[in-house]
Amino acid sequence: ETGVTQSPTHLIKTRGQQVTLRCSSQSGHNTVSWYQQALGQGPQFIFQYYREEENGRGNFPPRFSGLQFPNYSSELNVNALELDDSALYLCASNFGGGGSGNEQFFGPGTRLTVL
Amino acid sequence: AQRVTQPEKLLSVFKGAPVELKCNYSYSGSPELFWYVQYSRQRLQLLLRHISRESIKGFTADLNKGETSFHLKKPFAQEEDSAMYYCALTPSGTYKYIFGTGTRLKVLA
Repeated sequence: ETGVTQSPTHLIKTRGQQVTLRCSSQSGHNTVSWYQQALGQGPQFIFQYYREEENGRGNFPPRFSGLQFPNYSSELNVNALELDDSALYLCASNFGGGGSGNEQFFGPGTRLTVL
Repeated sequence: AQRVTQPEKLLSVFKGAPVELKCNYSYSGSPELFWYVQYSRQRLQLLLRHISRESIKGFTADLNKGETSFHLKKPFAQEEDSAMYYCALTPSGTYKYIFGTGTRLKVLA
C-alpha cells in the first residue's frame, strides 16, 4: 500500500507568481483534502475534492484553486502569491468522501516560501 | 464559530508522570473529535477518535459535552511520547477538520 505523496518537497517563489503543488492519494482513496499550516499554527482547511468535484471549501480566496484527476491525484494552484502564503501545504486522503469519522491520511507536505 | 483551543503550546513532564493535554472546542452541534500526533520527522497521523472509545499507546480521551472538552490523558508518560499533538473537530456531517494550534509534549528522562 502506497501512502500519500506530495511534490515538490520545497519551493521558493516570489510575490505575484503562481504555483502548483501536487498530491498522490493513498491507494484506494477517492477523497483529497488540502490544508495550509503556517508556522506555529495548526493545519487550516483549504478545500476537499471527492470524485473529481470540489466537496467543500474553507475561508480561502478564489486564487486558491484545485483539481482532482480520474486517478484521484490532486493539484493545488495558488495565483498571485502573497508573502502570507508562505507555509507548509498538506494533502490528506481518505476513502468515501468527507463527513464525520473518516480518518484522513496525511502526506509529508510541501514547504512554500514566498519572497 | 467553530473553534478548537489547545491552551498549552508546550508541556514538559518527566518519564512515568501522568500527562494531560487539554483540548476545548466550540461547536453547537454534535462534533466528531480526534487527536492527531506528529512525531519528529514523521507525518501527521491519527492517534485516536472519540467515537471509537479506544486506548492507543496508553492514551485515552473522553468527550465531555458539558465542558466542551476532549482532553488527552496517559497515566505514565514515556520518552517516545514526545511529539506534537493536535486536537481536531469535524462538525457533524461535514467534510473538513478544524485543528487546534497544537501542543508540543516533551517527556524528560
